[in-house]
Amino acid sequence: EVQLVQSGAEVKKPGESLKISCQGSGYSFTSYWIGWVRQMPGKGLEWMGIIYPSDSDTRYSPSFQGQVTISADKSISTAYLQWSSLKASDTAMYYCARLGSSVNWFDHWGQGTLVTVSS
Amino acid sequence: SDELTQPPSVSVSPGQTARITCSGDPLAKQYAYWYQQKPGRAPVVVMYKDSERPSGIPDRFSGSSSGTTVTLTISGVQAEDEADYYCQSGDITTNYWVFGGGTKLTVL
Repeated sequence: EVQLVQSGAEVKKPGESLKISCQGSGYSFTSYWIGWVRQMPGKGLEWMGIIYPSDSDTRYSPSFQGQVTISADKSISTAYLQWSSLKASDTAMYYCARLGSSVNWFDHWGQGTLVTVSS
Repeated sequence: SDELTQPPSVSVSPGQTARITCSGDPLAKQYAYWYQQKPGRAPVVVMYKDSERPSGIPDRFSGSSSGTTVTLTISGVQAEDEADYYCQSGDITTNYWVFGGGTKLTVL
């Protein structure tokens, strides 16, 4: 069974750094792209970027380029999303999701990580 | 435009048919995918490649496509179908993935 398990909820202050994780299991982690999707409170889904864990090829949405960093450690089947300086507007639920074999859609999703940024 | 447009809300009574549309230029060249999201839960795929239903999704869910518009149809709507529905399209060759704004399905 394909599973994506994300790290737990975080409460941070503006300006702090943060790295959240997504561990895949039940499939060959290096054979599928992993994406990150933001959902702000009461809002819709936004694609942030994707990474191919085998060679760490990373693609960012123009809306998130330079705002976050996506990485992966294939030795532990884990993808990451990180911020160097959080803003209140980063408060959201963040989902990781595996891209299907055609790489055009998200076939399995993590449970989400809630990030709250507040002074 | 690269956007996908959905109606904000659709309301139907139990047993009726709900149709949720998604329109946008990307759909002329790429497949659409549909996700169901219930409150406090992660999205779940209910339709892929316009009209393919994943295993485990009830056959009351169906999908169709015409030009730049795709439609998710739920026949015989049940109370458990009340959720937000998002369409999505994507293309690795152009590094482009986009979600529609979402449609809240209310079962009256």
